This record gives sequence, structure tokens and C-alpha cells, in this order.
Amino acid sequence: GENVEQHPSTLSVQEGDSAVIKCTYSDSASNYFPWYKQELGKRPQLIIDIRSNVGEKKDQRIAVTLNKTAKHFSLHITETQPEDSAVYFCAASYGDNFNKFYFGSGTKLNVKP
Amino acid sequence: SAVISQKPSRDICQRGTSLTIQCQVDSQVTMMFWYRQQPGQSLTLIATANQGSEATYESGFVIDKFPISRPNLTFSTLTVSNMSPEDSSIYLCSVRGGAKNIQYFGAGTRLSVL
Repeated sequence: GENVEQHPSTLSVQEGDSAVIKCTYSDSASNYFPWYKQELGKRPQLIIDIRSNVGEKKDQRIAVTLNKTAKHFSLHITETQPEDSAVYFCAASYGDNFNKFYFGSGTKLNVKP
Repeated sequence: SAVISQKPSRDICQRGTSLTIQCQVDSQVTMMFWYRQQPGQSLTLIATANQGSEATYESGFVIDKFPISRPNLTFSTLTVSNMSPEDSSIYLCSVRGGAKNIQYFGAGTRLSVL
């Protein structure tokens, strides 16, 4: 099955700086890569996703890049704010319906004011 | 978006007992998914619940321990049977839905087994 590795496990940045979280996956058949944000005690919420036919996707301060050859994808957050502090999970999925998600181990992001 | 109601939100149980977690969705969905999130850890898929057929379990999870029901397209239950302290975890229901057909999660059930 798919194996998703995520780094770093913790990341501390100063407010206004950028944050980058990286994930690698093992199954070349994976073709959908979502990122979830989980605040303490709350449910995971999708913040951005990318499909394998796209190399980069942006949504305001958040961007995701995908390198299918190298089998890695990254989350980029610019101009970080204290409310960005949370645990971020990457995931990989494959198939027509992307039903089965394999999650990375998570990155705890702390944005210091 | 798909609205998922999950209950109970939390429970404290004695070892050897069983707990049934309910998941209700505000729209009909083909598949419902059950995940486990151990404290400070990632999410692990337990099983996929299909309406009208038996659930499909992931490696390391068995039906006797985690029986699942899926009586209709908006509802599912997960039972954690014969609980031990190692079952203490957050259990989350998940579905694909909404206008963008993305994966949504319920708020989770925080289970503590004494």
C-alpha cells in the first residue's frame, strides 16, 4: 500500500515568515494530494488539494506544489499569522474516486507573534 | 459542504465493554469512512462502510473488534468491542460530498478506556 512521509514533525516560525511542509509518497499510482489543517480539539479541515495533472496550485497565502517524478509534494504558507498555528496533515490517494486516503504523520506549526 | 453529526462526542468506558459511535450525514453518500486518531498521532483508516454490503477493513482492523453497520445512505455506526486501554483514541467518521466532492470529517468521538 501507499506510504506517506511528512517532515518536519514540528515547525516554529515568526509571524510574517513563510512555512514549508514536505511530504513524499511511495505509490506512483497516487493522483490526488489534499492537505488538512487540524486545530486543537477540532476536526481536520481541507485547506487545499492538488491533482496529479497539475504542478502547482495557489489559494491566497497557501500554495501546494507537486513533483510526480520525485513523488513529493509540499505545502507553502506565506505571511504566516498566529491563527495558522495548528497541525497540518498531508495525504495521498488514488483511483477514480480518491476514496482511500493515506495520511502523513502531521506537522505541528507554531507561529510566534 | 457535507454536514456530519457524530455522537457521542466523548465517553469514558470500562475495559471489556463495548461502545457504539453513530455518524449521521445531511446528504446521501455512497461510502462512509471510519478513522482512528491516537493521541498526537495521524489518522488511520479503519474501514470503509458501503450501504448494502459488508464493510471493507484495512490491515490490522477486524470486524469482530470493530463491527460496522450501514443501514442507509446517510447513517453508519462503528462499535468498539471488548475495549482495552489501547483503544483509547479519537474515532472520526468521514464522507466525500458537497459541491466540490471533497472529504469531510466529523468532529470525532474521544474515547477513554479505563
